[in-house]
Amino acid sequence: NAGVTQTPKFRILKIGQSMTLQCTQDMNHNYMYWYRQDPGMGLKLIYYSVGAGITDKGEVPNGYNVSRSTTEDFPLRLELAAPSQTSVYFCASGLGSRLNTEAFFGQGTRLTVV
Amino acid sequence: KNQVEQSPQSLIILEGKNCTLQCNYTVSPFSNLRWYKQDTGRGPVSLTIMTFSENTKSNGRYTATLDADTKQSSLHITASQLSDSASYICVVSASSGGGADGLTFGKGTHLIIQP
Repeated sequence: NAGVTQTPKFRILKIGQSMTLQCTQDMNHNYMYWYRQDPGMGLKLIYYSVGAGITDKGEVPNGYNVSRSTTEDFPLRLELAAPSQTSVYFCASGLGSRLNTEAFFGQGTRLTVV
Repeated sequence: KNQVEQSPQSLIILEGKNCTLQCNYTVSPFSNLRWYKQDTGRGPVSLTIMTFSENTKSNGRYTATLDADTKQSSLHITASQLSDSASYICVVSASSGGGADGLTFGKGTHLIIQP
């Protein structure tokens, strides 16, 4: 049982490049979330999904896109990378709504845009 | 606006000593409060979750308290170990509103345990 797995762990992008951050969970959780964590700041919600085929914006969605074709996978897409997207990205999943049940986080993807 | 404030921002203590981390919040309506431990380069891991009716909860050497009247929580670490070196994040959940996930994250307290 791997929990929440994120790939890659590290990535350096040039301005304007695109990439997909992968997230997969093997706990059959319906709810999945993407957060970003900037130095010295609390986590901010980017996008979330309440089940396969359903996604919605969080607090800071600009510059990102997501899809949820299966229960297990919730990739985050950056289309035109900008320096402001330099951050650590965390994927999380949970059984219940609004993360009111136990939430499980991946190990994070550290992204640098230069 | 929902807010979670943690103090101190950072803390250094000697191995074996106790310490207490503080969390004040203005999240409403309150659903639950949780403490997470985040090791360097890793994702947050849940330590405790407390609802309105719970005023103390333990997880090994970690004991969290909640005063819903004053909207304060504390995390007490007993007999600290080197492995306790991490950031400790207070997260408060709102039962409605408060964003799509209903969560407001504190900025964390960075704890360093010295041998």
